[in-house]
Amino acid sequence: GDSVTQMEGPVTLSEEAFLTINCTYTATGYPSLFWYVQYPGEGLQLLLKATKADDKGSNKGFEATYRKETTSFHLEKGSVQVSDSAVYFCALTPNNDMRFGAGTRLTVKP
Amino acid sequence: NAGVTQTPKFRILKIGQSMTLQCTQDMNHNYMYWYRQDPGMGLKLIYYSVGAGITDKGEVPNGYNVSRSTTEDFPLRLELAAPSQTSVYFCASSFRTGNSPLHFGNGTRLTVT
Repeated sequence: GDSVTQMEGPVTLSEEAFLTINCTYTATGYPSLFWYVQYPGEGLQLLLKATKADDKGSNKGFEATYRKETTSFHLEKGSVQVSDSAVYFCALTPNNDMRFGAGTRLTVKP
Repeated sequence: NAGVTQTPKFRILKIGQSMTLQCTQDMNHNYMYWYRQDPGMGLKLIYYSVGAGITDKGEVPNGYNVSRSTTEDFPLRLELAAPSQTSVYFCASSFRTGNSPLHFGNGTRLTVT
């Protein structure tokens, strides 16, 4: 079935470092792709999304491009902040539900 | 704007007990979902509903039941709790499927001992 695989963490970076979290997907059709973020003690929040090939989603300095040729949707940020420390989930919507990756925990140190 | 509200936030159950996790949303969303989150495992779909009176099984429905009598409410029932049901449970809603994002509640942390 349709699924996503994302790099396992944890990832630890220094403030202002460049971030990449890899996500690849398997799908029979053309799903929409999402990145969600989860802060401690909270539910998931939508970070960004892309609905078709070559679309770029962006929000709060984060970006991800829907690459059909490599079936990827990698999350990037040029300069991370301590406040970006959270768990990040890649996800797709094949039908009536949303499938999530296992999550990648990011810790940013001052 | 409350969004998706889940109660309780925390609960400890003994093996064999039952309980209902409450979920309500005020966004008039037709689609509602229950997920469980286990450490390092991402989220697994338990049940979902595409509208009042309609529910369907997700990936891990065994040991759970749901009902959807109104658009706003989507309670999750645990019968005969087992240690394997120790998890964090999230309710979510969306306007429709496809490219609509999910709106999540803050979760219920359940421990079964």
